[in-house]
Amino acid sequence: AQSVTQPDIHITVSEGASLELRCNYSYGATPYLFWYVQSPGQGLQLLLKYFSGDTLVQGIKGFEAEFKRSQSSFNLRKPSVHWSDAAEYFCAVLGTGNQFYFGTGTSLTVIP
Amino acid sequence: SAVISQKPSRDICQRGTSLTIQCQVDSQVTMMFWYRQQPGQSLTLIATANQGSEATYESGFVIDKFPISRPNLTFSTLTVSNMSPEDSSIYLCSVEGYTRSGNTIYFGEGSWLTVV
Repeated sequence: AQSVTQPDIHITVSEGASLELRCNYSYGATPYLFWYVQSPGQGLQLLLKYFSGDTLVQGIKGFEAEFKRSQSSFNLRKPSVHWSDAAEYFCAVLGTGNQFYFGTGTSLTVIP
Repeated sequence: SAVISQKPSRDICQRGTSLTIQCQVDSQVTMMFWYRQQPGQSLTLIATANQGSEATYESGFVIDKFPISRPNLTFSTLTVSNMSPEDSSIYLCSVEGYTRSGNTIYFGEGSWLTVV
């Protein structure tokens, strides 16, 4: 069965510090993986996606993610966090039947 | 990418009433999806709506409670019927977009419903 786990419910970082949000997936075949961001009062915006090829993918707003098959992980990173990055982040995998499976989300707080 | 508009963006509803949420896409799409996001929770797929056929509902969701229409390739509606406070959620419309590199799903801004 397909599933996505985001181990960290809430993370707090200082502005300018680096960020890594963890995502682990369970899927039998080569996964299609996504990261979405949901700002307060907003819908979901696609940050980046991995389908194949280079395991390090670049996204919008300075985010990147690395696919590691051996660890079944797709962690999201940003070298220097901005206050506007405070939001809820969701990892997702595209499973069989074109159904998306979402993690429970990680809430990011950025302190000045 | 697809641009998705949802109406209403927010509403406060009385217990026992029904509300219809509209979803308009700026391009023709085959599959449209409706998700629910309860407070502090992740997204749960309610149903998949294909044009010209009955919507396919996920376990725990039924047509009587969440009737869906899909009259054409750019529009869909979700009705939340006989609402109770437990239905207070964000309801998100989404579509599947096809790019050279593969499928991606895009979301509307969401409809934030509060049932009192």
